Amino acid sequence: AQTVTQSQPEMSVQEAETVTLSCTYDTSESDYYLFWYKQPPSRQMILVIRQEAYKQQNATENRFSVNFQKAAKSFSLKISDSQLGDAAMYFCAYRSARVGEKLTFGTGTRLTIIP
Amino acid sequence: DADVTQTPRNRITKTGKRIMLECSQTKGHDRMYWYRQDPGLGLRLIYYSFDVKDINKGEISDGYSVSRQAQAKFSLSLESAIPNQTALYFCATSDFGTGGVYNEQFFGPGTRLTVL
Repeated sequence: AQTVTQSQPEMSVQEAETVTLSCTYDTSESDYYLFWYKQPPSRQMILVIRQEAYKQQNATENRFSVNFQKAAKSFSLKISDSQLGDAAMYFCAYRSARVGEKLTFGTGTRLTIIP
Repeated sequence: DADVTQTPRNRITKTGKRIMLECSQTKGHDRMYWYRQDPGLGLRLIYYSFDVKDINKGEISDGYSVSRQAQAKFSLSLESAIPNQTALYFCATSDFGTGGVYNEQFFGPGTRLTVL
C-alpha cells in the first residue's frame, strides 16, 4: 500500500520570504500523480499544484513550485514571496495512475505566515 | 458555477442516532468519494463510487454505509453514531479521463459532525 509522509506538522515563515514543505511517499509503482492541496481556515480543499511522475520537469504555478525527486520518492512544495493568504494546512497526496484513482493523503503541515 | 455541495455543513448528534450526510454535484462527474478528516491523520477514504451501480469500500468503511441515488448524489450514513466518528467529512468528485489525464478531485466544503 502506498503511504505519504509529511514530517513537518507545523512551519512558519516571514511574509515575503520563501518556505519549503516536505513530503515523501512510498510506492512500488512507476506511474502515478502527486498533488499538493491547501486547506485554509474556511476548510475548503483547494488544489495548489500537481505533478505527473513520468514528467521530469518540476511543476510550477505562479509562486508555487515543486521539487520532484522520483528516485528519492520526495515531493516538496516551495512557496515563494509568502503572503498572508498562504496561511493554511497543506496536504501532500498520491494517486496511482492505474484505474481506481484513490487519493492517499499525508497528515498535513500547518503553515503560519508571520507579518 | 458547477459545484460540489454538502448538507448539512455542521451537525451535532447523540450516540446511537442514525445520521445521513448528503453530497450533490453539478459538475457532471461520474466518480464520487467520501473522506474523513481527523486532526493529525489527514484525509482518509471511506467509500467511493465510479457510477450509480458501483460502490466500493475505502480504507475506513466500518460503521458507515453509502447510497448513490443518482449520478449527481452520493449520501453517507452512520447507522448508529459513536463519539469516535466525530470528524470533518468531505465529499469529492472526479471525471473519468483517458490518455493520462490525472482526473483532479474537486472537494465539497465539508461537514463537521460532532457525536456526543
